[in-house]
Amino acid sequence: SQKIEQNSEALNIQEGKTATLTCNYTNYSPAYLQWYRQDPGRGPVFLLLIRENEKEKRKERLKVTFDTTLKQSLFHITASQPADSATYLCALDLKQAAGNKLTFGGGTRVLVKP
Amino acid sequence: KAGVTQTPRYLIKTRGQQVTLSCSPISGHRSVSWYQQTPGQGLQFLFEYFSETQRNKGNFPGRFSGRQFSNSRSEMNVSTLELGDSALYLCASSTGGSGNTIYFGEGSWLTVV
Repeated sequence: SQKIEQNSEALNIQEGKTATLTCNYTNYSPAYLQWYRQDPGRGPVFLLLIRENEKEKRKERLKVTFDTTLKQSLFHITASQPADSATYLCALDLKQAAGNKLTFGGGTRVLVKP
Repeated sequence: KAGVTQTPRYLIKTRGQQVTLSCSPISGHRSVSWYQQTPGQGLQFLFEYFSETQRNKGNFPGRFSGRQFSNSRSEMNVSTLELGDSALYLCASSTGGSGNTIYFGEGSWLTVV
């Protein structure tokens, strides 16, 4: 069966450290993998997109890696700040004829302590 | 540029009733997708509309339907509401191509009692 797994346990991290989140998937062939941030009661906010032929993508303090052999993406927040506390979702955009149809993981909650 | 606007923000309905939720995409965006988010199932894709046509569909019963108007605004309808339909319903818009950035609205919180 098809699955997208993110660590369901909250990640508690000290301010200034690097938070690393994992997204593992099985039985999917994604064309793209995306990461979103979601705050309580709000809609998800797009952070980064990485294509199947890309190994790494960076944006400011964020870094995403994508290993299609391992079927895994890692999401890093460097020099974490309390404002980074949120739930982070990975989403697969499958190879399909057209359009947008994201399949989401369950999300990992990150709590950055000052 | 205004973001994705969803109305109403909160609503309470009774089992068996129907509900219509509205979404105004970002100006210029022709793709509107709908998602359901619950604590148990997470974020699940309902359907996507592009230029007034349903282009993709998730695995939800026929009670869930949608439509898109010529101005790209979209509505989704849920008929014969069940308690399990209580959820945050999220609308997302994009220009429509695969790999484009998708922008979510703040969602409509539906409680079925």
